Parts: sequence; structure tokens; C-alpha cells
Amino acid sequence: GENVEQHPSTLSVQEGDSAVIKCTYSDSASNYFPWYKQELGKRPQLIIDIRSNVGEKKDQRIAVTLNKTAKHFSLHITETQPEDSAVYFCAASWGAGGTSYGKLTFGQGTILTVHP
Amino acid sequence: DAGVIQSPRHEVTEMGQEVTLRCKPISGHNSLFWYRQTMMRGLELLIYFNNNVPIDDSGMPEDRFSAKMPNASFSTLKIQPSEPRDSAVYFCASSTGQGNTEAFFGQGTRLTVV
Repeated sequence: GENVEQHPSTLSVQEGDSAVIKCTYSDSASNYFPWYKQELGKRPQLIIDIRSNVGEKKDQRIAVTLNKTAKHFSLHITETQPEDSAVYFCAASWGAGGTSYGKLTFGQGTILTVHP
Repeated sequence: DAGVIQSPRHEVTEMGQEVTLRCKPISGHNSLFWYRQTMMRGLELLIYFNNNVPIDDSGMPEDRFSAKMPNASFSTLKIQPSEPRDSAVYFCASSTGQGNTEAFFGQGTRLTVV
């Protein structure tokens, strides 16, 4: 089955700096790569996703890049703010005629702390 | 839609007792997932259903855990008997069941077994 590795496990930055979180996956059939943000005591919520026909996607201060050849994808947060502090999870899924049923395999999570 | 609804939000129980967690997925979603979150193991997928049928329960840790989905709008995760090491946050999530779409999480149930 799919295996997703996420690094680093913790990341501490100063407000205004950039943060990068990296993930690798094992199943070359995976074609959907979402990123979830989980604030303390809350549920994981989708912040951005990318599909395998796209190499990069941006949404304001966050961006995700995908390298299918190397089987890795990354989350980039620019101009970090204290409210970006949370746990971030990457995930991978594949959709071949719906037979994956939408199952997501998650990375281990990255605790991001943004210091004011 | 109110999103994925889980109950209870918090549960404290004594070791050996039966615990039942409940989930109502988003209407129209065909896939439902049960996850367990702990500091040590992160987000673990326990079991998932598609069109009310269990597809993969290989993540269920022991026979003490069981899950059902009697209809498209309701699922339960039962632990009997409960043990202190079962203490965790249990999330239910649902999606359309297509391969490359978002999964929506419920607010979770924080279970404490004493």
C-alpha cells in the first residue's frame, strides 16, 4: 500500500520568514495530494491540494509543488504569521475509476511554530 | 450541510466499559473513514466504508474494536472492553468516494479511558 513520509516533524520560524514542509510517497499510482492544517483542539481542514497533472499551485501565501518523477511534494508558506502555527499533514490518494474510494494516506505531521 | 457530525465530543469511561462513538457523514458522500489520532502514532486509518460496505478494516488494532454503517447517514465505532491505551481523539471523515477529492473531518471525539 501507499506510504507517505513527512519532514520535518517540527519547524520553528520567525514571523515573516518562509516555511517549507516536504513529503515523499511510495505508490506511483497516487495522483491526488492534499495538505491539511490542524489547529490545537480542532479538526484537520484542507488548505490546498494538487493533482498529478499540475506541477505547482498557489493560493495567496501558500503554494504546493509536485515532482511525480521523484515522488515528492512540498508545501511552501511565505510571510508566515503567528496564526499559521498549527500541525500540517500531507496526504496522498489515487483515483482509478473510483476504486480507491477516496482513501487518504497521511504523513506523520509537522508542528509549525511561528514566533512573533 | 452541517458537515460531518460526531458524538459525543468528549467521553470519559472506566477501563472495561463499552464505548460507542457515532458519526453522521455529509449527505451524498459515499465513503466514510474512521481515524485515530495520538501523539505517538499521528493519524491512523482504522477502517473505511464505501456505500455502507466495509472496504478495509486492516487498521483496526484489535478484536475489541468494531465498526458498522447500517445506512448512508450513520456509522458507529465500538470499543469493548475499553483499555487506557485506547485513549485518543477519534475522527470520522467522509468524501464523495472518488479518488482525488477532499475528505471532510468531523470535530472528533476525545476518548479518555481511566
